[in-house]
Amino acid sequence: TQLLEQSPQFLSIQEGENLTVYCNSSSVFSSLQWYRQEPGEGPVLLVTVVTGGEVKKLKRLTFQFGDARKDSSLHITAAQPGDTGLYLCAGAEAGTASKLTFGTGTRLQVTL
Amino acid sequence: DAGITQSPRHKVTETGTPVTLRCHQTENHRYMYWYRQDPGHGLRLIHYSYGVKDTDKGEVSDGYSVSRSKTEDFLLTLESATSSQTSVYFCAIKRAGGYNVYGYTFGSGTRLTVV
Repeated sequence: TQLLEQSPQFLSIQEGENLTVYCNSSSVFSSLQWYRQEPGEGPVLLVTVVTGGEVKKLKRLTFQFGDARKDSSLHITAAQPGDTGLYLCAGAEAGTASKLTFGTGTRLQVTL
Repeated sequence: DAGITQSPRHKVTETGTPVTLRCHQTENHRYMYWYRQDPGHGLRLIHYSYGVKDTDKGEVSDGYSVSRSKTEDFLLTLESATSSQTSVYFCAIKRAGGYNVYGYTFGSGTRLTVV
């Protein structure tokens, strides 16, 4: 079973600050996804990246897939309280019948 | 999210009793999944289905069984509930967006407490 490590586990910042969350593994992924989860709800897909070196932007969120497709990062610019939540990365190894393995998550709190 | 419903949302049961959780989708997706979420472990795959009557085990399948007799319903059964199965259970469907590009849509979860 592939292991996905996320760092940091917890992050508390003030509104307007920038932050980066990391997702690392020793395994190669055919694709990697990022989700955000709010209390009492299921995770919601933010982005899927499939090509090594790929960069995708979603408003103030920038996602990057590592060249070797073993790692990814999520950068948030000028964080807002609405960004508060649990951020999860998830990867699929080739030939795994679409099974995703999830990281343990990064809990982000953005305060005024 | 529209299209996937879990029931019940909350349940308290006694150790040793069987429990069945239901996941219902309205969009005819082939792949469905059951995950559990626990502090410090993230989401772990219990079982998944790739079609009617086609299911397979995930990484934490011991003590759980599943059934899929119709495309729209995927049932998770705890055969004899134990306290270690206290968790939040999520069902998910896979939405295809092109070659190798897909995402999961999750239900809102079932919070199960075994006492």
